[in-house]
Amino acid sequence: DSGVTQTPKHLITATGQRVTLRCSPRSGDLSVYWYQQSLDQGLQFLIQYYNGEERAKGNILERFSAQQFPDLHSELNLSSLELGDSALYFCASSVGRGTGVGEQYFGPGTRLTVT
Amino acid sequence: AQSVAQPEDQVNVAEGNPLTVKCTYSVSGNPYLFWYVQYPNRGLQFLLKYITGDNLVKGSYGFEAEFNKSQTSFHLKKPSALVSDSALYFCAVRDLNSGNTPLVFGKGTRLSVIA
Repeated sequence: DSGVTQTPKHLITATGQRVTLRCSPRSGDLSVYWYQQSLDQGLQFLIQYYNGEERAKGNILERFSAQQFPDLHSELNLSSLELGDSALYFCASSVGRGTGVGEQYFGPGTRLTVT
Repeated sequence: AQSVAQPEDQVNVAEGNPLTVKCTYSVSGNPYLFWYVQYPNRGLQFLLKYITGDNLVKGSYGFEAEFNKSQTSFHLKKPSALVSDSALYFCAVRDLNSGNTPLVFGKGTRLSVIA
């Protein structure tokens, strides 16, 4: 158990809908990262937050947004969902800003299925 | 820009035999290198990392990795494979000189250990 929790574990929704994925980092970790894992694209970095502020942005679509709250939990919002958004979404956390040597700890993931 | 390549999608090895999972990287500065493992329906788990110093890094579950600067490689190894090592393995790199660039993951190599 990495100490990173994600909810829900599974999510099934229809195209055009909006969903929110939630992540709680390990105790003491200030950085939260979101990744999308699909069969054809591998593990894609979406976005990072550090202590409430956006720190780095990857291949995140404009339909997707995220935020980190004062208690350090984070939410990833996915809107106007398309079939191609079906994937595993992982959250990870680390102590530092993400530019150093610290490793990231991954949650169990949320499997999103868009029908 | 930093990148990492895992040239093999799949590696098959007999139980008890040594295993190697290959990784090569490209960075402009000095690399931080990581290996993660993903078991079915689980998040990624940190195995080991190279920062500086000894080129042979030892990690969890008997795994080790050898950093080779001239070949820009960081291959994962284990002297004697177990069936329970069957999983998806990811190599990742961060460029020490890249500022805020986050960790970049390879596409993963599926290891299958046959009894």
